[in-house]
Amino acid sequence: AQSVTQPDIHITVSEGASLELRCNYSYGATPYLFWYVQSPGQGLQLLLKYFSGDTLVQGIKGFEAEFKRSQSSFNLRKPSVHWSDAAEYFCAVGALNNNDMRFGAGTRLTVKP
Amino acid sequence: KAGVTQTPRYLIKTRGQQVTLSCSPISGHRSVSWYQQTPGQGLQFLFEYFSETQRNKGNFPGRFSGRQFSNSRSEMNVSTLELGDSALYLCASSSGTGAYGYTFGSGTRLTVV
Repeated sequence: AQSVTQPDIHITVSEGASLELRCNYSYGATPYLFWYVQSPGQGLQLLLKYFSGDTLVQGIKGFEAEFKRSQSSFNLRKPSVHWSDAAEYFCAVGALNNNDMRFGAGTRLTVKP
Repeated sequence: KAGVTQTPRYLIKTRGQQVTLSCSPISGHRSVSWYQQTPGQGLQFLFEYFSETQRNKGNFPGRFSGRQFSNSRSEMNVSTLELGDSALYLCASSSGTGAYGYTFGSGTRLTVV
């Protein structure tokens, strides 16, 4: 079965600084990769997804992610962080043959003024 | 188009009681998945229903059950509640396979006292 590792539990960045959140996945076939964001007490909102094709995918709110098969990674990036980006971010991997999407443990982002 | 609706938003129950949570997926979506989210365990997959049939099940005890109706609305039930069942329960809908991404509801916050 597929699995996801998010090595960073908590990251703090200054407003206006760049951001990179790490995600490593494990899956034998072509993965379907996702990043979600969750504000406190809320559900998860899809930021972006990768199925195939261009390895650099653009999402909402100015986020992008790059799929690197050789490194089994799908890192999330944003060039300039806004205070409203403070939230928890989850990387997830799905598979075409099942509906069991696996989530990483999440990375909590704090934005300093 | 309306999103995923979960009711109720908050619940307080006593140990030993049972509880039923409801989820209405996005119109046209036939798959509903349920997740339990806790600070210690993160997001854990409970089960997934598609066209009224349970397709996948996570590693939870039999006290956790669910069903799906012909209109794709889903309910999950937890019997003989334990303190450890306190969590945010999230419902997610998809068109058929999670490989294309889920849309999550805002969740039901269950507190067991």
